[in-house]
Amino acid sequence: EAGVAQSPRYKIIEKRQSVAFWCNPISGHATLYWYQQILGQGPKLLIQFQNNGVVDDSQLPKDRFSAERLKGVDSTLKIQPAKLEDSAVYLCASSLGSPDTQYFGPGTRLTVL
Amino acid sequence: GEDVEQSLFLSVREGDSSVINCTYTDSSSTYLYWYKQEPGAGLQLLTYIFSNMDMKQDQRLTVLLNKKDKHLSLRIADTQTGDSAIYFCAEDDNQGGKLIFGQGTELSVKP
Repeated sequence: EAGVAQSPRYKIIEKRQSVAFWCNPISGHATLYWYQQILGQGPKLLIQFQNNGVVDDSQLPKDRFSAERLKGVDSTLKIQPAKLEDSAVYLCASSLGSPDTQYFGPGTRLTVL
Repeated sequence: GEDVEQSLFLSVREGDSSVINCTYTDSSSTYLYWYKQEPGAGLQLLTYIFSNMDMKQDQRLTVLLNKKDKHLSLRIADTQTGDSAIYFCAEDDNQGGKLIFGQGTELSVKP
């Protein structure tokens, strides 16, 4: 069974630029999560989708971050404009439902200069 | 609020047992998890325990849960150099299902 796929794996941008990340969850998983992991810390939830609806986006900085889940499968996370403090690993996870065991992708490491 | 605490570092010799500890605050969590993260990689699910269990064993891994003290531990028997990684404890919030992670324990295994 294929795992959670993410791209790109690495991205370097300058502050004030925009960037987008893509996630393809495990087939059949209804719930999709985006976490932000700053160096030296545990992951923190940014947004959670159930199918194509948002369940929890309370920790998403909505002035610069946006996310969507196309047709309840793939998802994109966008940052516009990026700030230095957005440098982190962005992890996508999926689960059959919620609460349920979450499986993580390899992450996208973002560096903002 | 919800909070998960872990010690930051643990160093053991190859062949010894490792015990990684975690405390949490949300007593309504349904599941508690242990994830492993190797350098440059995502999080790999190691094991999990249902909140009404005291212990779960899975090959070299033993999870102990003390609900009264809100304490979770992961014991790795016969620790190998390949076990060197960062280990995260996490609880679910029992509402939407998001995970609350500790800051991670870096396990170093010396030959």
